[in-house]
Amino acid sequence: DGGITQSPKYLFRKEGQNVTLSCEQNLNHDAMYWYRQDPGQGLRLIYYSQIVNDFQKGDIAEGYSVSREKKESFPLTVTSAQKNPTAFYLCASSRSFWDTIYFGEGSWLTVV
Amino acid sequence: GENVEQHPSTLSVQEGDSAVIKCTYSDSASNYFPWYKQELGKRPQLIIDIRSNVGEKKDQRIAVTLNKTAKHFSLHITETQPEDSAVYFCAASPLGSGGGADGLTFGKGTHLIIQP
Repeated sequence: DGGITQSPKYLFRKEGQNVTLSCEQNLNHDAMYWYRQDPGQGLRLIYYSQIVNDFQKGDIAEGYSVSREKKESFPLTVTSAQKNPTAFYLCASSRSFWDTIYFGEGSWLTVV
Repeated sequence: GENVEQHPSTLSVQEGDSAVIKCTYSDSASNYFPWYKQELGKRPQLIIDIRSNVGEKKDQRIAVTLNKTAKHFSLHITETQPEDSAVYFCAASPLGSGGGADGLTFGKGTHLIIQP
């Protein structure tokens, strides 16, 4: 699981600005995911991608966008349409959609 | 879709004692149940998992039990140590172990505190 790199670790954003969180993996995994974590809420799925050039909305996709142009990269953009973006964001990947998922170190986003 | 309930939300035990965290799920099609440990500000890490074709799995001080009839599964930690202090998440999936939609559904977590 050390092969999933998220950046930046900490990010501050002004209201009304878009921000992009990076996620890179060198595990040759086909599937990648973005989760949001709030206190007491567990992990909620934002978007997932089963394979390059394909992605699907998860449970809380509104206000977020993603792309999957390369197998190793799955960036998440938090748009100004996301009403409450302050959270801990976790990227994850798995060998295939059917395999165990592993998480990156996470990115803390704070809106100021 | 799947709904996973996890209890308790906070659990405090004396060092050396055992800790048990319980989860229930709603979708009888779920067949994969992992447990993740998350230390403060760090990534969740898989510590043990179980599939529906077995009732119990053990790895040193950690064990997981599954009751498919009752739709619940539990994490057992024996001889607890200070480094066991963390938040533990259970999850359930009807599609194997993938994390996509209709895949893994997580519980809300249990904050385990080991008292010295």
